[in-house]
Amino acid sequence: GAGVSQSPSNKVTEKGKDVELRCDPISGHTALYWYRQSLGQGLEFLIYFQGNSAPDKSGLPSDRFSAERTGGSVSTLTIQRTQQEDSAVYLCASSPTHGGYTFGSGTRLTVV
Amino acid sequence: QQQVKQSPQSLIVQKGGISIINCAYENTAFDYFPWYQQFPGKGPALLIAIRPDVSEKKEGRFTISFNKSAKQFSLHIMDSQPGDSATYFCAATAYGQNFVFGPGTRLSVLP
Repeated sequence: GAGVSQSPSNKVTEKGKDVELRCDPISGHTALYWYRQSLGQGLEFLIYFQGNSAPDKSGLPSDRFSAERTGGSVSTLTIQRTQQEDSAVYLCASSPTHGGYTFGSGTRLTVV
Repeated sequence: QQQVKQSPQSLIVQKGGISIINCAYENTAFDYFPWYQQFPGKGPALLIAIRPDVSEKKEGRFTISFNKSAKQFSLHIMDSQPGDSATYFCAATAYGQNFVFGPGTRLSVLP
């Protein structure tokens, strides 16, 4: 596609529920990243996929967070047993092997 | 060593003025330095980027100045406009690694 697509754009969930956030990267981009941005804050790195290599999960804040990338394309970020502190905008980006990121518009997650 | 420091945290500039945002890094392996612009409710968008083999890159009203020996780089916005009001993030990366972002600068350009 023309850009990075994320869905849903907004998600409201109850505390304790699981959520799945989806990212469709730009076709042909080998790298895919997930970041989290709390209101008015910077970009917190979560996880990085590069081609067929093992993902860099060093930014995941707890074992409630996981992500997968199927077929080197679409990625899903899963948050289990959501907590109120998980409320944030979750941004996905993709890039060629070494180049600028293209970000999606994000999923705004609200845990009530 | 993986941090990128960014200043100021916020900046107010009059229309037509020059906006300057500064970043500093420690990791000498970094070899790509982009700047991102983010409007409220949107994802960050690549604005301009530089590699360390040049000291300056200009695209329209936006210029990156790069000082390799000082490990610093800066974004200059000439003739700042109210439409430039946004949050700006600098970043740095080395080949095969994820980007390290600065904490952001909120720019307000007054009409």
